[in-house]
Amino acid sequence: GENVEQHPSTLSVQEGDSAVIKCTYSDSASNYFPWYKQELGKRPQLIIDIRSNVGEKKDQRIAVTLNKTAKHFSLHITETQPEDSAVYFCAGGQTGANNLFFGTGTRLTVIP
Amino acid sequence: DGGITQSPKYLFRKEGQNVTLSCEQNLNHDAMYWYRQDPGQGLRLIYYSQIVNDFQKGDIAEGYSVSREKKESFPLTVTSAQKNPTAFYLCASSIRPGSGEKLFFGSGTQLSVL
Repeated sequence: GENVEQHPSTLSVQEGDSAVIKCTYSDSASNYFPWYKQELGKRPQLIIDIRSNVGEKKDQRIAVTLNKTAKHFSLHITETQPEDSAVYFCAGGQTGANNLFFGTGTRLTVIP
Repeated sequence: DGGITQSPKYLFRKEGQNVTLSCEQNLNHDAMYWYRQDPGQGLRLIYYSQIVNDFQKGDIAEGYSVSREKKESFPLTVTSAQKNPTAFYLCASSIRPGSGEKLFFGSGTQLSVL
């Protein structure tokens, strides 16, 4: 089955700096890679996703890049703000299958 | 207010006891899922249901059971066979089945063993 690894497990940045979280996957058949954000005490919410037919996707201050050859994808957050502090989970899977495989999460702390 | 509701927020289980976690959605979603979240680990799939009266095992189904008698409801029972039940349980739904669909999560149930 698929195995998704996520690094780092914790990340602290100064407000205004950029943050990058990286994930690797093992199954070359995986073609869908979402990112979920879980604020303290709240439910995970989808913030951005990418499918394997594109290499990059951007939504305001967040972007995701995908390298299919190397089997890794990354989340980039620019101009970080305190409200970006949360646990971020990457995931990978095949569209049409029934299971998403999640990474172990990255706790991002933005220091004001 | 549309969404997915889990109850209770906290639940305690005694040795040998079965407990049931509730999950209800009013989003008219076909697919529903149960995930287990342990500290330092990613979400792991317990069971999923693509449609009413159908459900399938996920990666860690042993010691758990589910039912899907109504589209809106997907309760999870943690049986006494589950030897390490302490975890945070998340229910989710998606418009259609398939891992390429956006998941909508409930707010979770923290289960602890007395």
